[in-house]
Amino acid sequence: KNEVEQSPQNLTAQEGEFITINCSYSVGISALHWLQQHPGGGIVSLFMLSSGKKKHGRLIATINIQEKHSSLHITASHPRDSAVYICAVNFGNEKLTFGTGTRLTIIP
Amino acid sequence: DAGVTQSPTHLIKTRGQHVTLRCSPISGHKSVSWYQQVLGQGPQFIFQYYEKEERGRGNFPDRFSARQFPNYSSELNVNALLLGDSALYLCASSLTGTGGIYEQYFGPGTRLTVT
Repeated sequence: KNEVEQSPQNLTAQEGEFITINCSYSVGISALHWLQQHPGGGIVSLFMLSSGKKKHGRLIATINIQEKHSSLHITASHPRDSAVYICAVNFGNEKLTFGTGTRLTIIP
Repeated sequence: DAGVTQSPTHLIKTRGQHVTLRCSPISGHKSVSWYQQVLGQGPQFIFQYYEKEERGRGNFPDRFSARQFPNYSSELNVNALLLGDSALYLCASSLTGTGGIYEQYFGPGTRLTVT
C-alpha cells in the first residue's frame, strides 16, 4: 500500500530554533513535495525533489531514496513560519499522496 | 500572471443537494487535479484531467464527477451531498499530465459546508 507518514504531528518551538520535520514513505517514488498550508487553506509548494538536497532561504529539504525518508529543516525559525507543513509524494504517476501534515507553531 | 483560481470560495449546501465547483489553471497548464481535504487531515486525490480526458480517479463514489473544458478550466460536481462531503476542495494545475513529474500549483480552495 502506498503510504506517507509524517512526524511529529504537532511541533511548538521558540523563535530562532532549528526545526526538523520528517517524512517517510512505503515504496519507491518519482518525486517528493514539501508543501506549506496556512490557516486560510491555501497550499504553497516549497520544494519538489527526487534526490539530494534543495535550499531556499531558511528552508532546506533533503531526501534519502534508499531509506525512503525526507526531512524539511527550517533555520532561525520565525513566528511567520507557523503553518501546517505537508509532505506529498508521486508513486510513479502525477497523483499526489499526502501525509497528514505537521502543525508548526513558533512562539516569539 | 494569475495563479490557480477557484470559485466560489465558500459554499453552504443542504444534504441531498448538488454542487458545482470551478477551477481555472495557470495559463499554459493543461493538467488539473482535484483534492478533498477534510478538517484535520491531509488532502485526498479525487481526479486528474489532462487535455480534457480523465487521467486518474481516486477512491470516491460515483456521486463525484468532473470535466475539463477546451480552455483547460475544470468543474467538479458532487451529487446527493452528504454531511461527510463537508471539506476544503482544492484544485491544482501543472504543465503536463503524461510522464514526467511536474510541480503542482494549488488554488485557494473552496470550503464546502453541508448541513
